[in-house]
Amino acid sequence: AQSVTQLDSQVPVFEEAPVELRCNYSSSVSVYLFWYVQYPNQGLQLLLKYLSGSTLVKGINGFEAEFNKSQTSFHLRKPSVHISDTAEYFCAVKPRVSSGSARQLTFGSGTQLTVLP
Amino acid sequence: NAGVMQNPRHLVRRRGQEARLRCSPMKGHSHVYWYRQLPEEGLKFMVYLQKENIIDESGMPKERFSAEFPKEGPSILRIQQVVRGDSAAYFCASSPSRTDSYEQYFGPGTRLTVT
Repeated sequence: AQSVTQLDSQVPVFEEAPVELRCNYSSSVSVYLFWYVQYPNQGLQLLLKYLSGSTLVKGINGFEAEFNKSQTSFHLRKPSVHISDTAEYFCAVKPRVSSGSARQLTFGSGTQLTVLP
Repeated sequence: NAGVMQNPRHLVRRRGQEARLRCSPMKGHSHVYWYRQLPEEGLKFMVYLQKENIIDESGMPKERFSAEFPKEGPSILRIQQVVRGDSAAYFCASSPSRTDSYEQYFGPGTRLTVT
C-alpha cells in the first residue's frame, strides 16, 4: 500500500517570490511520482512526473520537482510565482508494477497555493 | 482530440434518489478509473474498469455504489439512495491499454450535491 503526505494545507506567497510545496510518500514498492494542479471547479491537470533517470524533473508553467529517494520526498518548486498559479496542488504516486489491481493513483490531501499581489 | 468527458458537470439530488454519473474516456483509451473528492480532501480511488470488466473495486463503498463500463457507451457510476455524505466531486480518468502506461488523464468532474 502507498500513502502520500502533503505537509502544508495552505501556502500563501507574494507574487514573484519563490515557493516550495512539500510532498512525502511511503510505499513498500517502487513508485512513479506525479504533481497535479486543480484550478477552481476544474479537473486535474498533470504538472510533471518522475518515472526514472534524473531526479530533477521539469514540468509545465515553470514548475520543477526533485525526487529524493532516501528521504522519500518529491517537493515541488517554482522560482517566481504568478497570480495565475493560485490553485490546489496534489502530489500522487502509482506503483511501477502495473498488474491489474495496482494501477490506481494514491493522492495526498492537497496544498492550496495562494499568490498574493 | 477530445479529452475525457464527464456529464453532467453538476448534479443535484434529494436524499433517497439515484445519481448516475457518466464518463467517456479519451479516444483509444480502454481503462477507466473513478475517484471521489470530498470537501477539503484529496482524491480517493474508487474503482478501476476495463471494457465489460471491473478490475479493482477496493475503494467502492460496499452498499449503494456500482460502476460499469459496457462494450459500447460511456462508463457509468451509479449511486442509489443518495445521502448527504455522498456530496462530493467525482472524477473520472482514463489511460491507454498498454501495460507500461503510467499516466491517467482526468475529466472535469461531476459535482454532486445531495439536498
